[in-house]
Amino acid sequence: EVQLVQSGAEVKKPGESLKISCKGSGFSFSSYWLGWLRQVPGKGLEWMGLIFLGDSDTRYSPSFQGQVSFSVDKSIRTAYLQWSSLKASDTAMYFCAIPITAPDVFDIWGHGTMVTVSS
Amino acid sequence: EIVMTQSPATLSVSPGERATLSCRASQSVSSNLAWYQQKPGQAPRLLIYRASTRATGIPARFSGSGSGTEFTLTISSLQSEDFAIYYCQQYNNWPPWTFGQGTKVEIK
Repeated sequence: EVQLVQSGAEVKKPGESLKISCKGSGFSFSSYWLGWLRQVPGKGLEWMGLIFLGDSDTRYSPSFQGQVSFSVDKSIRTAYLQWSSLKASDTAMYFCAIPITAPDVFDIWGHGTMVTVSS
Repeated sequence: EIVMTQSPATLSVSPGERATLSCRASQSVSSNLAWYQQKPGQAPRLLIYRASTRATGIPARFSGSGSGTEFTLTISSLQSEDFAIYYCQQYNNWPPWTFGQGTKVEIK
């Protein structure tokens, strides 16, 4: 079974750093692009960017360029989303997703990681 | 950035009735359009891609149509499990791919 399992909810203070994870199983890990998406509570979905799991080639959405960073550890089949200095406005649910059925069609999603940033 | 506009914002439908959801792109996205369903506390689920192709395991009551800038998702006979928020998303132009703001389908 193809699965993406995300790390658990986080509560952080403004200015703190954070790294959340997305572990893949059941597919050829290095052959896919993985997307990161944000959903602010009660709001819609936004693409943050993409990372190719084979060589860590990254494509950031302009709104998120410089605000976050993506990385991969192929040895443990895990992708990461990282902040160096969180803001209250980073409070959101974060999803990872991959396109198994067709290119650019993201049909397998993680369950999401809720990040709360509050002083 | 391509802006995706969905209408209506909320659709009140009785079980068994037909629901028609619309999605408009600010410029052509060809047929590179997907529809997702999201229920509270869950990740989105892919329903339709390439504007009209049902994803694996999606019931035949869900159908998509359109190309260019105008798209429609039709649910032929609403079941109780279909009450949710539906998003369209274009994947024709990166960066970035963009979602509509969603249509909430609620019980009438």
